[in-house]
Amino acid sequence: EDQVTQSPEALRLQEGESSSLNCSYTVSGLRGLFWYRQDPGKGPEFLFTLYSAGEEKEKERLKATLTKKESFLHITAPKPEDSATYLCAVEQGGSEKLVFGKGTKLTVNP
Amino acid sequence: DTAVSQTPKYLVTQMGNDKSIKCEQNLGHDTMYWYKQDSKKFLKIMFSYNNKELIINETVPNRFSPKSPDKAHLNLHINSLELGDSAVYFCASSPRVDSGYTFGSGTRLTVV
Repeated sequence: EDQVTQSPEALRLQEGESSSLNCSYTVSGLRGLFWYRQDPGKGPEFLFTLYSAGEEKEKERLKATLTKKESFLHITAPKPEDSATYLCAVEQGGSEKLVFGKGTKLTVNP
Repeated sequence: DTAVSQTPKYLVTQMGNDKSIKCEQNLGHDTMYWYKQDSKKFLKIMFSYNNKELIINETVPNRFSPKSPDKAHLNLHINSLELGDSAVYFCASSPRVDSGYTFGSGTRLTVV
């Protein structure tokens, strides 16, 4: 069965303190790995899709990378407004659905 | 202009009641989904429809019945509500999965 494990469950950073979130996955025939951001009381917001090992994508202070077993979401010099829960999801080829991890709750203190 | 809108945002009801949640998207996407987020914030797919046709039906009790009158709408009807149905239900749409979903803001269902 597909599994997506995110770590840590929660992360507290000081503003400007860079760090990384991890998403490890087991899926046969990975079609894509997705990162979403979810703010309290809102729906997840799409950030990135990664398709193959070695791929990287960036958006502002966020950079997502992918290997054959895991993905990292690097946050460079975070700001308080980056505080949110970050969700990772995978799609197995032909499944037409995403399997989500439980998320990492990021808090950035000013 | 809300891309994916759900109503109601909050729903408090008693056990045994029947309720519906409505979802509409104005993005022109072909595929729509219902996801359930439990108290531990775990998001799990329930149903997906592609152009009004059911393509995914996960192991969801028969009390849950989705209905798609057209490709812009996907409603969720729940019969005989139970305490364990309390959760946040998200509607989402996508032109295709690898382009990412657009989620609605969720419906928080509380069964008392």
